[in-house]
Amino acid sequence: DVVMTQTPLSSSVTVGQPASISCRSSQSLVHSNGDTYLSWLQQRPGQPPRVLIHKISHRFPGVPDRFSGSGAGTDFTLRISRVEAEDVGIYYCMQATEFPRTFGQGTRVEIK
Amino acid sequence: EVQLLESGGGLEQPGGSLRLSCAATGFTFSDYGMSWVRQAPGKGLEWVSSINNAGVNKHYEDSLKGRFTISRDNSNNMLYLEMSSLRVEDTAVYYCAMQLWDSDHWGQGTLVTVSS
Repeated sequence: DVVMTQTPLSSSVTVGQPASISCRSSQSLVHSNGDTYLSWLQQRPGQPPRVLIHKISHRFPGVPDRFSGSGAGTDFTLRISRVEAEDVGIYYCMQATEFPRTFGQGTRVEIK
Repeated sequence: EVQLLESGGGLEQPGGSLRLSCAATGFTFSDYGMSWVRQAPGKGLEWVSSINNAGVNKHYEDSLKGRFTISRDNSNNMLYLEMSSLRVEDTAVYYCAMQLWDSDHWGQGTLVTVSS
């Protein structure tokens, strides 16, 4: 199984400051079709997960452009350029390149 | 507008069975693979099972094989998860999700509690 490892597990950020979450996979997430199926999800308190980004860097409609994804192969990053109060929650990376699909442990983002 | 509405959760005793349903609207259901993902209280996300658009190819988390069965009814735009021999550790919110690799559509979840 592909193990997804996120760092840090917790981050306290001042509003308006940037935040960054790293996700490393135990093997390459490049699919045989050439795509890399790495997604980032946000889960606000008491809410279901919301998928922010897929295929490393493609934001879904409605996702603020302060969220960006980057990376390749086994190393990926989610960046929030200027954290807002509504960004509080837990962020997960997920790989959908192979079965079983696997998630990172989650990174809790709070406001300082 | 895409909507996924789960139902069928509730309180069940260890060893019992439940069938979860997910009603899909707002898209051509038969064109998309579907998945179930669960989240135990206070824990992270765990993939449970996926099924392709035609209902032919099915995948399961290894520890759930033999106890959980995913299926779909493309005529009625429904996704199902049959759960048997339930264990306390199956207690979780179960989400249905559309095509995990390139979709942002998830349901609100249904809570399954396994307890005596």
